[in-house]
Amino acid sequence: DTAVSQTPKYLVTQMGNDKSIKCEQNLGHDTMYWYKQDSKKFLKIMFSYNNKELIINETVPNRFSPKSPDKAHLNLHINSLELGDSAVYFCASSQEGGLLYGYTFGSGTRLTVV
Amino acid sequence: DAKTTQPTSMDCAEGRAANLPCNHSTISGNEYVYWYRQIHSQGPQYIIHGLKNNETNEMASLIITEDRKSSTLILPHATLRDTAVYYCIVRVGSQGNLIFGKGTKLSVKP
Repeated sequence: DTAVSQTPKYLVTQMGNDKSIKCEQNLGHDTMYWYKQDSKKFLKIMFSYNNKELIINETVPNRFSPKSPDKAHLNLHINSLELGDSAVYFCASSQEGGLLYGYTFGSGTRLTVV
Repeated sequence: DAKTTQPTSMDCAEGRAANLPCNHSTISGNEYVYWYRQIHSQGPQYIIHGLKNNETNEMASLIITEDRKSSTLILPHATLRDTAVYYCIVRVGSQGNLIFGKGTKLSVKP
């Protein structure tokens, strides 16, 4: 079983569209995250969420919104897609902040906006 | 801003030990050193972490200097599958999010 799974793996869409990326973890972790990796390979935190608190990186446009239907899922919704949103998006999860066993990452979703 | 300095790239011969250095001269007493790696096109993978003692697990060893201003990740017998970008990260235990720097691109060659 995949610990952190993301769907779809690839997503090609036109500018202006609205899209979602799904993430599920079966590790029983209490916190989930979204990271963005741009063309220069820099990994940047976008959101972290547990059932108590959503922390948003201040640089993330409000077109991006995380939605968590339950502890095991954290989906990423993106409105009015722009060319600059093209990147690989990684979902991750951790228990107690990842102190003992680190974060577990998914395999990524490559988003291409045309 | 990243609190660590790592070489941009390194090469290692297959079967030899890979020693990846990391400088964290401004580390605080309550900050841990974490190592992750990212193999091409995959998500980052946790390797090991430590506070002040040396640590070893099935993947690697972590050597932290006595003054804690630098550390070295050791892959004892590097294989081609260890070719990846290795990230050294400092953070206060479980507080705050994991912030990635530029990392070291390790190329293991036959």
